[in-house]
Amino acid sequence: DADVTQTPRNRITKTGKRIMLECSQTKGHDRMYWYRQDPGLGLRLIYYSFDVKDINKGEISDGYSVSRQAQAKFSLSLESAIPNQTALYFCATSRSLGLGGTGELFFGEGSRLTVL
Amino acid sequence: QKEVEQDPGPLSVPEGAIVSLNCTYSNSAFQYFMWYRQYSRKGPELLMYTYSSGNKEDGRFTAQVDKSSKYISLFIRDSQPSDSATYLCASGIQGAQKLVFGQGTRLTINP
Repeated sequence: DADVTQTPRNRITKTGKRIMLECSQTKGHDRMYWYRQDPGLGLRLIYYSFDVKDINKGEISDGYSVSRQAQAKFSLSLESAIPNQTALYFCATSRSLGLGGTGELFFGEGSRLTVL
Repeated sequence: QKEVEQDPGPLSVPEGAIVSLNCTYSNSAFQYFMWYRQYSRKGPELLMYTYSSGNKEDGRFTAQVDKSSKYISLFIRDSQPSDSATYLCASGIQGAQKLVFGQGTRLTINP
């Protein structure tokens, strides 16, 4: 089983719909991230959380929201999806330096979202 | 301007060739540097991690960092078709523990 699991893996939706992407991890890491990947633009950070009660905006947070329901779960929501949010979304985890982490991110397999 | 710039390619070379992948970065505070490999329909996985200027070798892969010129390189010797993937460079600041990624270079090794 994957250490970082994303659901759904693929989703097609229409403009204006609310969409939630979910991420769960069994690695025991305290930090979780949501990235978006677009051709030619690489991975861009949407939101990140260093703890259950900690939520931080990344470089492209507009139009997105997140919820850290537990240490192992981090969900990304698009309140009203628009076509330019069509992309491949990745959840990632890491262990904080104080807990022996190195800065390495561990990624899920991605959620491909298409907004028509 | 992105903090980490990488030529997106695509790059196509014959099997056995030496491959050179490069990135530049603009933030002098970056302290550690990573290369991730991403196969099609998969998430990125860490390939190499360096914390300082100089070279780090792991089998056929060598990561090189030149902090004076803010230049990051990955060399692949004796390239194999199984090396065909997208390679992403990334840099970060130790305390912040947030990585900034380059655009990724799509590499194809032709048999």
